[in-house]
Amino acid sequence: ETGVTQSPTHLIKTRGQQVTLRCSSQSGHNTVSWYQQALGQGPQFIFQYYREEENGRGNFPPRFSGLQFPNYSSELNVNALELDDSALYLCASSFTGGTQETQYFGPGTRLLVL
Amino acid sequence: GNSVTQMEGPVTLSEEAFLTINCTYTATGYPSLFWYVQYPGEGLQLLLKATKADDKGSNKGFEATYRKETTSFHLEKGSVQVSDSAVYFCALGRTGTASKLTFGTGTRLQVTL
Repeated sequence: ETGVTQSPTHLIKTRGQQVTLRCSSQSGHNTVSWYQQALGQGPQFIFQYYREEENGRGNFPPRFSGLQFPNYSSELNVNALELDDSALYLCASSFTGGTQETQYFGPGTRLLVL
Repeated sequence: GNSVTQMEGPVTLSEEAFLTINCTYTATGYPSLFWYVQYPGEGLQLLLKATKADDKGSNKGFEATYRKETTSFHLEKGSVQVSDSAVYFCALGRTGTASKLTFGTGTRLQVTL
């Protein structure tokens, strides 16, 4: 069974640029959630994708957007990067439709905005 | 809204000491409760979970009991090892639509010889 994978592992961008992060969900899972973890903080929910549509969103501006593909993998796009976007971005996959929707996390992408 | 409060760290213990990390929550209904662990430079690993009141989750010697009357889910281990040094996050989640997780701020545990 393949776990959740994310790419790239590290990324450096400058303010105002755009970035795309990628996530492959665990085998058998159909839902992907994205979280932002600032240094020394707990992860904050950005949004969730199920059946290729956004299925809930946290308190993040519209410049944070995403996609889910037919194979359940997902992308997180951030436009007009700001210094405060520097964080670890975590992807989690789960199965929607069962009785328990435990989320399993990937290793994360560490983004530094200069 | 939902929230999770964890005891602040860092927690420093000697090897073989008893560990308790407190976690309390605020939520409507009956959330599921989780403990995740994050080793340096890595993502989150699920440590244990409980889905209803009085359930006890356990894994690798760690335990936590879902206490609805005190809205708590404290993490315990009888004898910690140096390899347990990590940041521990308590989280609550709901099943159904947009089953997002709400995390506490994390508690850093350092175990010394």
